[in-house]
Amino acid sequence: EAQVTQNPRYLITVTGKKLTVTCSQNMNHEYMSWYRQDPGLGLRQIYYSMNVEVTDKGDVPEGYKVSRKEKRNFPLILESPSPNQTSLYFCASSSQWGTQYFGPGTRLLVL
Amino acid sequence: AQSVTQLDSQVPVFEEAPVELRCNYSSSVSVYLFWYVQYPNQGLQLLLKYLSGSTLVKGINGFEAEFNKSQTSFHLRKPSVHISDTAEYFCAVSQAGGTSYGKLTFGQGTILTVHP
Repeated sequence: EAQVTQNPRYLITVTGKKLTVTCSQNMNHEYMSWYRQDPGLGLRQIYYSMNVEVTDKGDVPEGYKVSRKEKRNFPLILESPSPNQTSLYFCASSSQWGTQYFGPGTRLLVL
Repeated sequence: AQSVTQLDSQVPVFEEAPVELRCNYSSSVSVYLFWYVQYPNQGLQLLLKYLSGSTLVKGINGFEAEFNKSQTSFHLRKPSVHISDTAEYFCAVSQAGGTSYGKLTFGQGTILTVHP
């Protein structure tokens, strides 16, 4: 089954404790992306990657890091999380201009 | 820079009535346009997309949208809605071609509520 998986699905952490949210796709897609969703703001792109070792900033990259060492994986790293990073996070993948497939989401609470 | 404005944050409608969800965009270059739907507690699903060609685009679940370049709009329509269409709808834009095609900008979302 074609899918994008994210882990963990739910995470509660404290300010400053480094965390990683994993994202993996099994469709051999070149393109992957991370978004955060906040009420009234829609989805905002954090980072995107057009292929292995090729990444670029989206609209809200501050406080986040990404890496793309393998085609199937695109982890999101929060080196020092802060409460304003409490949000719902989505990973997505697609072939170039194909349909974007979204993961189920990761709900993060930073205390 | 590109931006998207969804003109209605909430749209209530009766079952079997027609609906239009409005989307305007701003960009200094040619664009690709998308509509996504998010059902409660789920991820996003692509409804339809405009890349080039015919300005009237048909999508899944009976939805369609029309690209109007002069008015910089991409409104979503359905002639007869069902209870199951209750969801949040997002319009999105990206730059056509070049190296920034992966940068996708979403609107704030429109919550469609279909009443029996």
